Amino acid sequence: QKEVEQNSGPLSVPEGAIASLNCTYSDRGSQSFFWYRQYSGKSPELIMFIYSNGDKEDGRFTAQLNKASQYVSLLIRDSQPSDSATYLCAVKILESGGYQKVTFGTGTKLQVIP
Amino acid sequence: DGGITQSPKYLFRKEGQNVTLSCEQNLNHDAMYWYRQDPGQGLRLIYYSQIVNDFQKGDIAEGYSVSREKKESFPLTVTSAQKNPTAFYLCASSISEGFYYEQYFGPGTRLTVT
Repeated sequence: QKEVEQNSGPLSVPEGAIASLNCTYSDRGSQSFFWYRQYSGKSPELIMFIYSNGDKEDGRFTAQLNKASQYVSLLIRDSQPSDSATYLCAVKILESGGYQKVTFGTGTKLQVIP
Repeated sequence: DGGITQSPKYLFRKEGQNVTLSCEQNLNHDAMYWYRQDPGQGLRLIYYSQIVNDFQKGDIAEGYSVSREKKESFPLTVTSAQKNPTAFYLCASSISEGFYYEQYFGPGTRLTVT
C-alpha cells in the first residue's frame, strides 16, 4: 500500500462548479497534511495545510481532515480555468531521531472546462 | 528577494558522467530536501538534511550523493550509478514551529541524460 494515495484523474469540472479532490494516507502517526498545486513544468506551490480534524477554509479553498478515516480532501469552490493543474497531497511524519519527512502522493490532474 | 535558487534550469549530460545540481537558499531554513519527479508522477524523496553536516537517505537515494557544508547550500550529485537519471529535480527547504510547517520549493532543474 502506498503511503499517500490519490486518484490520478483527470478530474473534469465545469467553470463555476465545486472541485473535490481526495487523498488517503497509511501512517496513523502523520502530523500535518498539505495540498500543493503544480502547473505543468513548474515547481509545486503550497495552497493549504491542515493538522487538526475538521475543515479549514482559505478563500475558495477548503481542506478537510479526518484522522480516524485517514483521509484529507480539498474543495475548490467556483472553479476557474486557471485552477487547471495537478494537485499534490503531502503528509508530514516525524521519524525517529526527530527527522521530519514529507511524503507526496502522485497527484490528481484537475481540468476546469470554460 | 528571499527564496531558493536552482541552477541550471536545463542540464544535458552523456551517460556515464557524474553531474552536480546546485541548490541555494537565503531563507535561513535549517532543513533542506531533494526530490525527483518523473512524468505523471508525484515527488519522491532522494535525500534530506535537517542541519549542517548531517543528512539522511530518502526513499530513492541509490545513485545519488549530497553534502551539506553550509546552511545555505545543498548540492546533489547524480552519479553514473543512477540507472535512470533523466527527470525533473526539485530542491526544497522548510521552516517548522510546533505543528506549523511549510516547505518552499525551488524552480527545479530538468536533467536529460542521453
